[in-house]
Amino acid sequence: AQSVAQPEDQVNVAEGNPLTVKCTYSVSGNPYLFWYVQYPNRGLQFLLKYITGDNLVKGSYGFEAEFNKSQTSFHLKKPSALVSDSALYFCAVIKIGGTGGSYIPTFGRGTSLIVHP
Amino acid sequence: EPEVTQTPSHQVTQMGQEVILRCVPISNHLYFYWYRQILGQKVEFLVSFYNNEISEKSEIFDDQFSVERPDGSNFTLKIRSTKLEDSAMYFCASSDLEEGEAFFGQGTRLTVV
Repeated sequence: AQSVAQPEDQVNVAEGNPLTVKCTYSVSGNPYLFWYVQYPNRGLQFLLKYITGDNLVKGSYGFEAEFNKSQTSFHLKKPSALVSDSALYFCAVIKIGGTGGSYIPTFGRGTSLIVHP
Repeated sequence: EPEVTQTPSHQVTQMGQEVILRCVPISNHLYFYWYRQILGQKVEFLVSFYNNEISEKSEIFDDQFSVERPDGSNFTLKIRSTKLEDSAMYFCASSDLEEGEAFFGQGTRLTVV
């Protein structure tokens, strides 16, 4: 089975500072990894994905994520946080190939990012 | 930009009543999903749908739930006899590839009283 862990319920950062939202995954094969953002009372909005190739993936709104196979991590980062980045962030995984996995996106529990002015 | 649309945005129903949540996926997408989220917490998979049939479902998706694609555009989730614990935000999503990113609708907030 595939799973995603987001170890932090909440991340606090000052505006202008770099931010990191952590995600680790567990699959037996090759993962496709995604980050989504959810603003209050809204749906999930796709930010970026890793499929293959360069481990550093760039996405919307200046966000990027780094795939680290040895640490099974896919942390979301941004060099300079904005107050408007405050939202709920979800990591998701799809397992590609092999057995015991699923193409259904499996989501982490979410991390609330709060950017202080 | 194409988007997934869901109606209604908010549905209040009495326990034991049937509800139908409606979704219009992005037009060229082939893979459809329903997820739910309780109190802004974890996003839980309910069911996936491809080629006019359920491709996968979770333990949550019991006999009280059903999905249908009645025409070429709509994708519905029916809860036959609602329970208090069905109160949640229900999200529809669609994807053009089996392994592609899913695009989500704005959700339907279901409140069972």
